[in-house]
Amino acid sequence: QQQVKQSPQSLIVQKGGISIINCAYENTAFDYFPWYQQFPGKGPALLIAIRPDVSEKKEGRFTISFNKSAKQFSLHIMDSQPGDSATYFCAARGRSGGSNYKLTFGKGTLLTVNP
Amino acid sequence: KAGVTQTPRYLIKTRGQQVTLSCSPISGHRSVSWYQQTPGQGLQFLFEYFSETQRNKGNFPGRFSGRQFSNSRSEMNVSTLELGDSALYLCASSLRGLAGAHNEQFFGPGTRLTVL
Repeated sequence: QQQVKQSPQSLIVQKGGISIINCAYENTAFDYFPWYQQFPGKGPALLIAIRPDVSEKKEGRFTISFNKSAKQFSLHIMDSQPGDSATYFCAARGRSGGSNYKLTFGKGTLLTVNP
Repeated sequence: KAGVTQTPRYLIKTRGQQVTLSCSPISGHRSVSWYQQTPGQGLQFLFEYFSETQRNKGNFPGRFSGRQFSNSRSEMNVSTLELGDSALYLCASSLRGLAGAHNEQFFGPGTRLTVL
C-alpha cells in the first residue's frame, strides 16, 4: 500500500524555469514532511522539510507548499539550474500500526534541467 | 565530521547465499535505519536500531535482519538471497531517531547488491 504518491515520475525544465513536484498522502497522522535530493551514486540528502502547522517554507530557491486539508504538498525549485538535475523524493513521518516512527517515501521524480 | 560510511559499496552474490552489509553512522549518532531502494518500489524502510535495540521494522520477510553494536555501528543480514533482493541498500543515521525533534537522517552512499 503506497501511502505517499509522488508525481511526475520525470520532469524536464529549462535553465531558469520553475520545477514543481507534487506529493499526496493518505495518513492524516503524518506529522513531518521532508524532501530529499539524490544524485547518482550518492545517498539521499535532506533538502527541506515542513511540519503540517505551516503552509509554506522557503529556503533559498526551494519552497515547500503544504495543503493540510487536501493532504498534498509540493516542492518548487525556482530559477532551476543544471546542477539541480537529480532525483527528488518526498517523504512523510508517522507511526504505522502503533509502532515507532518511520519515514514513508514517494517513488521519486527524476529532474533534468537543460542548459 | 565524517559522514555515514557503508561497506562494501558493491556486492555480487548468487541465489541462496547470504550477505552482511555494514554501516558506520556519524559520530555521536545513536540511531541507524536501513532502507532498500529499487527502481520499481523506490525507498522502502527495513528497520531502525537505537542503542542496540530494534525500535521499528518494515514489511520485509524474516530473511532480512539486523543488529547494532555498542559503538552504534550496524550490520544488516539477508539470508537465502533471491533475485528480487537486488537493490541499493541505504543506511541512515540520526542523533536520536525519527521520533526526536532533531530527527534529520543522514544517508550513506549505499551498498549496491546484485543477486545472480
